[in-house]
Amino acid sequence: DADVTQTPRNRITKTGKRIMLECSQTKGHDRMYWYRQDPGLGLRLIYYSFDVKDINKGEISDGYSVSRQAQAKFSLSLESAIPNQTALYFCATSAAGSSGNTIYFGEGSWLTVV
Amino acid sequence: AQKVTQAQTEISVVEKEDVTLDCVYETRDTTYYLFWYKQPPSGELVFLIRRNSFDEQNEISGRYSWNFQKSTSSFNFTITASQVVDSAVYFCALGSRGTPLVFGKGTRLSVIA
Repeated sequence: DADVTQTPRNRITKTGKRIMLECSQTKGHDRMYWYRQDPGLGLRLIYYSFDVKDINKGEISDGYSVSRQAQAKFSLSLESAIPNQTALYFCATSAAGSSGNTIYFGEGSWLTVV
Repeated sequence: AQKVTQAQTEISVVEKEDVTLDCVYETRDTTYYLFWYKQPPSGELVFLIRRNSFDEQNEISGRYSWNFQKSTSSFNFTITASQVVDSAVYFCALGSRGTPLVFGKGTRLSVIA
């Protein structure tokens, strides 16, 4: 089983619908992230959380919200999906401290907004 | 602000050729970390290497090697004797202690048999 698990892996939704992407990890890491990948734009940070009580906006947080339900769980919500939110979404984790900032990614969630 | 530039959008090589993927970074931090990740056609992101700013030693791992030069703010990645299985998108990334990683836009490498 993957250490960082994302659900759903694929989702097609309609414009205006609310959708949640969930992420859980078994790595015991404190830090969790949501990134978005678009062709030609690389990976862009949406939100990150360094512990359960910490939530921070990333580069492209508009239109998204997150919830850190537990150390191991970090969910991303699109309150009212729009077509330009069609992308590949990655959850990631990292440990704090001396291990530096190496982050480990989930398998990704393909989201299509029609 | 931190920035990573991967100027090569796409590279195509014939199998067994050597290929170098360029990465140039910008940061004001004196302590930072550089990374390379591989994204094969299946879509997952695979961690390849992490390098600390205070360690400029080059590294070799099998057919992969990395050249870190602080003087030119570069962290280039070379694949020797490329293989079809090396076909992927490769991302360079930069982070500092306590900050999330910033990624380049990636270089798509196609290795043709």
